Amino acid sequence: QVQLQESGPGLVKPSQTLSLTCSVSGDSISNGNSFWSWIRQHPGTGLEWIGDINYSGNTYYNPSLKSRVTISVDTSKNQFFLRLSCVTAADTAIYYCARLTNTAEFDPWGQGTLVTVSS
Amino acid sequence: DIQMTQSPSSLSASVGDRVTITCRASQNISFYLNWYQQKPGKAPNLLIFAASGLQSGVPSRFSGSGSGTDFTLTISSLQPEDIATYYCQQSYSVPQTFGQGTKLQIK
Repeated sequence: QVQLQESGPGLVKPSQTLSLTCSVSGDSISNGNSFWSWIRQHPGTGLEWIGDINYSGNTYYNPSLKSRVTISVDTSKNQFFLRLSCVTAADTAIYYCARLTNTAEFDPWGQGTLVTVSS
Repeated sequence: DIQMTQSPSSLSASVGDRVTITCRASQNISFYLNWYQQKPGKAPNLLIFAASGLQSGVPSRFSGSGSGTDFTLTISSLQPEDIATYYCQQSYSVPQTFGQGTKLQIK
């Protein structure tokens, strides 16, 4: 059973960098069959795709966030990472990691982690 | 970006009812359309892939149809555990985009 788990600070100050880790179990990022994604959900609203990475470090980013986003991967630890710079209150959201399958669905998802941007 | 528009935004139905949620894409996305169910406080869960494929473990009362720009999610007989918000998502092009969601409640 594939499981993903997000971790990282729940509170980030404005203008700082948000950093999250997604730990994967039950599948190997090195398999190369999937991309690995970050998606966020602002409180009470819809879902926004942030970006993807594969085992070799190829990335795709949402153009709306591209200037501030870096996604990286550590295959030895079976983890991938999100960094979002220059955060504002508008970046307050639940951040999910998910596997993007080779048939282009997000499955499964991590449980999500709430990140609040506040001084 | 491809815009995904769901209707209705909210829906109230009785147990046993047939429920239909629609999703319209702003351009042709072929069959690259997925549906997710999100229960309160939980992550979204894949229900339907490629417009009509039923994800393993999902009850058969859920079905999807459509292609091009117009898609439908149908619950054939609503159950109390189906209370959730439902999202469509296009995987035709980057950035992948989601509909705004349809909140389903029991009458």
